[in-house]
Amino acid sequence: NAGVTQTPKFRVLKTGQSMTLLCAQDMNHEYMYWYRQDPGMGLRLIHYSVGEGTTAKGEVPDGYNVSRLKKQNFLLGLESAAPSQTSVYFCASSHPRLAGDFNEQFFGPGTRLTVL
Amino acid sequence: GQNIDQPTEMTATEGAIVQINCTYQTSGFNGLFWYQQHAGEAPTFLSYNVLDGLEEKGRFSSFLSRSKGYSYLLLKELQMKDSASYLCAAMDSNYQLIWGAGTKLIIKP
Repeated sequence: NAGVTQTPKFRVLKTGQSMTLLCAQDMNHEYMYWYRQDPGMGLRLIHYSVGEGTTAKGEVPDGYNVSRLKKQNFLLGLESAAPSQTSVYFCASSHPRLAGDFNEQFFGPGTRLTVL
Repeated sequence: GQNIDQPTEMTATEGAIVQINCTYQTSGFNGLFWYQQHAGEAPTFLSYNVLDGLEEKGRFSSFLSRSKGYSYLLLKELQMKDSASYLCAAMDSNYQLIWGAGTKLIIKP
C-alpha cells in the first residue's frame, strides 16, 4: 500500500498562475483534508471532505478550491496564485470518528510551493 | 479563541529523558494527539489521549489533564533518530484538529 501520495512534490509559480495539487489515498478512508504548514505556525486546515462528492471549508479557505469526485482522490486548486500562498501543503486522510475510537490522520509527503 | 502552546525548541542528550509540554484551549474537547515530524517529511501519529492519565507506548508516553488543559509527551532513552519536531493537536467540539506550532527537539551526543 502506498498510503497517501501527493503530486507534485515541488512547484514554482508566478503570481496569477493557476495549478492543481493532487492527493490520492489507497486506504479506503472516507475523510480527506488539505493543510498548509508555514514556519512558526501550526498546521492550518484549508478544506476537508467527509465523503465522495462533499467538501467543506476549514480555517483558511480563501484563494483555494477543492473537489472530491472519487473517494480516493482530493484535489486542491489555486486559481490565481499569490506570494502569500507560498507554503508546504499536506494532504491527509482518516476513517470517520467512531464511538469509543479515534481517527488518526495519515499524511502525504507534502508539496512545496513557491509563488514568485 | 482556540489556542495550542508548546515550546519552540528543546535540547537533550542522547540516552536521557525529555518532557515536551503542551497547553490547549479549545471549544469543546475530543482528545489530544501527538505527532512526530522529521525535517522535510510528513507528520506521523504517535499517541492519542482523551481520558486523564498516562498512556505508555514503548519509549514514548503521553499524559493528559483535562481539568488543566495540559498534556506532555515523555521520551525516554533518547536516540539520535528522535531529533524531530513534535506536534501537539487538540480535537475540538467539531472534531477538527487545532495544531500547535511544534517543538523542535535537538538531540546531542
